[in-house]
Formats: sequence, C-alpha cells, structure tokens
Amino acid sequence: GDSVTQMEGPVTLSEEAFLTINCTYTATGYPSLFWYVQYPGEGLQLLLKATKADDKGSNKGFEATYRKETTSFHLEKGSVQVSDSAVYFCALNKHTGKLIFGQGTTLQVKP
Amino acid sequence: DAGVTQSPTHLIKTRGQQVTLRCSPKSGHDTVSWYQQALGQGPQFIFQYYEEEERQRGNFPDRFSGHQFPNYSSELNVNALLLGDSALYLCASSLRTGGNTDTQYFGPGTRLTVL
Repeated sequence: GDSVTQMEGPVTLSEEAFLTINCTYTATGYPSLFWYVQYPGEGLQLLLKATKADDKGSNKGFEATYRKETTSFHLEKGSVQVSDSAVYFCALNKHTGKLIFGQGTTLQVKP
Repeated sequence: DAGVTQSPTHLIKTRGQQVTLRCSPKSGHDTVSWYQQALGQGPQFIFQYYEEEERQRGNFPDRFSGHQFPNYSSELNVNALLLGDSALYLCASSLRTGGNTDTQYFGPGTRLTVL
C-alpha cells in the first residue's frame, strides 16, 4: 500500500546550521506531497506542498522538490533558528482526500 | 478569517463511555476530515465528510462515527471508549474543487484521555 518514510529523529542542530530532513514515498500514480509542522501542544500547520514532479514548494525559508525518479521530497532550510524547533511530518495525498503521513521527525535547534 | 476550530480542547473519559468532538471548518471550505494522532506517531485518517455524507473511511472500527451539518461543521463520535482511544484528534478542512481535496488545513486538535 501507499506509505511515507521519514528519517528518524531527533535531529539536533545549532542555530544557523543547514537542515535536511529526508522523506521518501511509495505510491502509484502521481500524488501531491506535503510538509506539515507541529509545534508542542498544537495542531498541524501546512508548511509547503508540491503537486507534480519537479515542482518546488517553498515557505518561510524551507524548500522541498518533488523528485519522481527517486520518489523523494526532502525538506531543506539554509539557516535554522531556535524557533524552528518542532516536529515535521511529510505526507502524500492521491487526490482521494486521505492524507498519508510519515512518522514525523523531531528537530531541536540549540542557540 | 477564522481557521479551523475544534472543541473541546481537552477531554477526560472513562472506559466504556461515549464522546463527541466538534469541528468548524475554515471559511469557504466544504469538506471535513478527521485524524487520530497517537503520542509520538503521525496522524491516521479516520474518515472524511462532504455534502453531509461519509465519503471515505480509514481502518477504524464502527465505534467511530461522524456527522456533517448543513453549515459544513462536523462531529466525531466514539462509542465504548477503550484505553487505546487516548490520542489527539485532529480535524482538517478543505475545498472539494473538481473532486480534489488535496490541501487540508488542520485545527488545534482535541486531546482525549481515556482512564
């Protein structure tokens, strides 16, 4: 069945470091891909999305490119801040309304 | 523009009881989906409502049921609560444009604890 796999955390970085969180997916067809962020005690916020191959989603300095050939959607940011500390979820939607999530990756940024 | 709202914020129940959670979608949205997020896990899809009907369902037992009202708001009902139902319940809303409800916006969630 369809699934999403994320790199295990926690990922611990110093402020201003470069961030990569790996995400790969298994799905037939051409799903839309998403990154959501969850701050402690809160719901999920949509961070960025891409709806077709080679699309790049971007928001608040975060970027991810939809790579069909490697079935990946890795999240990157050039310079992280302490306020970026949160749990990040990669997800796919095969246009059915059902989001399939990865297990989440915790990011801790230290000053 | 109000986002997705959910009530209550927290809820404590005992095994065997029944619970109702409520959700109001983002303004302009017509579709509501519900997810269960266990501690340390990603959200799991429960079901989705559109035009007051359940359109799609995940792998959850019949103890989980829902409803959508004419104003697009929704309820999630869980009967015969089990300890394993303790989780954060998330509501997400979207706009069903051409049958596509890809982009979903989430509410803050309801934390349910079953004792």
